[in-house]
Formats: sequence, structure tokens, C-alpha cells
Amino acid sequence: DTGVSQDPRHKITKRGQNVTFRCDPISEHNRLYWYRQTLGQGPEFLTYFQNEAQLEKSRLLSDRFSAERPKGSFSTLEIQRTEQGDSAMYLCASTAGTGREKLFFGSGTQLSVL
Amino acid sequence: GDSVTQMEGPVTLSEEAFLTINCTYTATGYPSLFWYVQYPGEGLQLLLKATKADDKGSNKGFEATYRKETTSFHLEKGSVQVSDSAVYFCALYSGAGSYQLTFGKGTKLSVIP
Repeated sequence: DTGVSQDPRHKITKRGQNVTFRCDPISEHNRLYWYRQTLGQGPEFLTYFQNEAQLEKSRLLSDRFSAERPKGSFSTLEIQRTEQGDSAMYLCASTAGTGREKLFFGSGTQLSVL
Repeated sequence: GDSVTQMEGPVTLSEEAFLTINCTYTATGYPSLFWYVQYPGEGLQLLLKATKADDKGSNKGFEATYRKETTSFHLEKGSVQVSDSAVYFCALYSGAGSYQLTFGKGTKLSVIP
């Protein structure tokens, strides 16, 4: 069990640039989540994949955000035309069971938009 | 929609003190309830969970009981250690038309020797 890995750990970008984050879940986990966490707040749900299908997206996810999970393996989260309000920690989590089971979280990607 | 309310932090306790972190929830149907913990510099990890009313989750000396009548899932530990210093998040999964786990805002605990 190598855990959920996220890359990069930190990303600094200028407003208006596009950024892409990668998440590699635990290999046998077919369910994958993206969350966003700002300082002093709990994680906020962004989107959910079951295998390669994106089954749920939060209303928080504007059309500047897009996520993919080709072939049901790793996932990417892209933010286009970044804004300062996008600065946050982006967390990925995976599980083999339903949401009633344990989620395994990665260490996150810290995004700073200048 | 689903929501979780936790007591405001930060909480500072001396070693061996008793800990309670309050958590109440609003949810559709019969949610499963969780406590996740985030140690400094680490990712979130599951501390304990309970899947139905009156269940007690326990791990590492921490306990929480699923109280449907008061919609609560308070976290307790009889004697905290410095190593328990972390941020604690209460969360729920209702499965009622959504796959998401809903988190509270977190409570930061600092334990001093």
C-alpha cells in the first residue's frame, strides 16, 4: 500500500494562468474524490469518480475547473484562468468501498495564485 | 442539504486532561458518521467511524457515540497526550443522492506537557 500520491506538492502561479494537478490513487481503489481546503476550514467536496466516470460535481466547481480520470487510474484536476480565490489546498482521496467506508487522503497540492 | 457543525477551536489542554469535541449534524436519511484527524504536516486520516444509531466508534483511546435523538457524534478521550495535538474533523456520509463526504470546519487541539 503506497498510499495516495499527489503532484506537485506546491504550485505558485500568476493570476490568469492554467494549472494542472495529478492524483495517483491506491491501485485497487475504483472511487476517487477531489476536495478543496482553505485555511481554517474543512475540506469541501469538488468532484467524484467511480472508475473513469465522473458521477458528481459540486456547485462549487465552476466551468474553469475540469477533472478527468482516464482508464479509471490516475486523475487530473485542471484550473483554467486561475483567480486569487482559487488559492487553497487541493486534496485527492480514494477508496475501494462506498462513501460509508474509509477514505484514504493524499497530502495535497498547495496552490498559491499571485 | 447535509451539514456538520463542530465546536470552535482552538482547544488547549494539559497532558492527561479529558477531551470533548462537540459535533452535531443535519442529514437526510441515515448517515454514517466519522472523525478524521490531520496531524501537523500530514494528510487526513480516519480516526473512527459509526454507521448506525447507538454505535460507538473507538480507536487510539478516542471514542464517539452516534446519537440519533440529538443528532450528535461527540469525540472524547479520557487522557490526552502531546502526540494527540492535531486538527480533528467531524464528517458524515448520507448517501442520499450524493456520493460526497461532508466535513465540519475542524477543531485544532493543542496538548501541552
